[in-house]
Amino acid sequence: GNSVTQMEGPVTLSEEAFLTINCTYTATGYPSLFWYVQYPGEGLQLLLKATKADDKGSNKGFEATYRKETTSFHLEKGSVQVSDSAVYFCALIMGYSSASKIIFGSGTRLSIRP
Amino acid sequence: SQTIHQWPATLVQPVGSPLSLECTVEGTSNPNLYWYRQAAGRGLQLLFYSVGIGQISSEVPQNLSASRPQDRQFILSSKKLLLSDSGFYLCAWRRLAAQETQYFGPGTRLLVL
Repeated sequence: GNSVTQMEGPVTLSEEAFLTINCTYTATGYPSLFWYVQYPGEGLQLLLKATKADDKGSNKGFEATYRKETTSFHLEKGSVQVSDSAVYFCALIMGYSSASKIIFGSGTRLSIRP
Repeated sequence: SQTIHQWPATLVQPVGSPLSLECTVEGTSNPNLYWYRQAAGRGLQLLFYSVGIGQISSEVPQNLSASRPQDRQFILSSKKLLLSDSGFYLCAWRRLAAQETQYFGPGTRLLVL
């Protein structure tokens, strides 16, 4: 079946460090891919998305490129801030029916030290 | 624009008491609606989803039930809460379009004592 695997956390970095959170997927077709962010005590917010191979999603300095050949969608940011501390979820959705469901990874907690 | 509301934001309930959490969506019609639970420090568990009024699909057997009495209203209920029902409950909606993403509400934090 379809699945998403993300790197285990927590990830702890110093401010202005480079960030990569790995995400790989398994899907029997061509999914759309997403990154969500969850700040403490809040719901999930869509951070960025990519709907086809080689698409790059970007938002708030974060980027992720849909790599079909490696079935990956790694999240990157060149210089993290304390305010980026949150839990990040990679996700995919397959199919066009109303019953299609989003598959989430287990989440990666990111902590940024000042 | 579309917005999603959840009520209440926080709830503390004794074991054995009933539960009713409400989710409403504004600015869209005939959305798919979802209930998730997130235990402390864990990922998301899909509990129920609905593709229309009165249509509920359950993902995991449990102590909870869901109802959709109106197009943009989704309710999560229990007749008797268990300690293990504690967690962060998230409602989400999705447009019925090709591989459209889901949008989440602010969540309800439930503590069962």
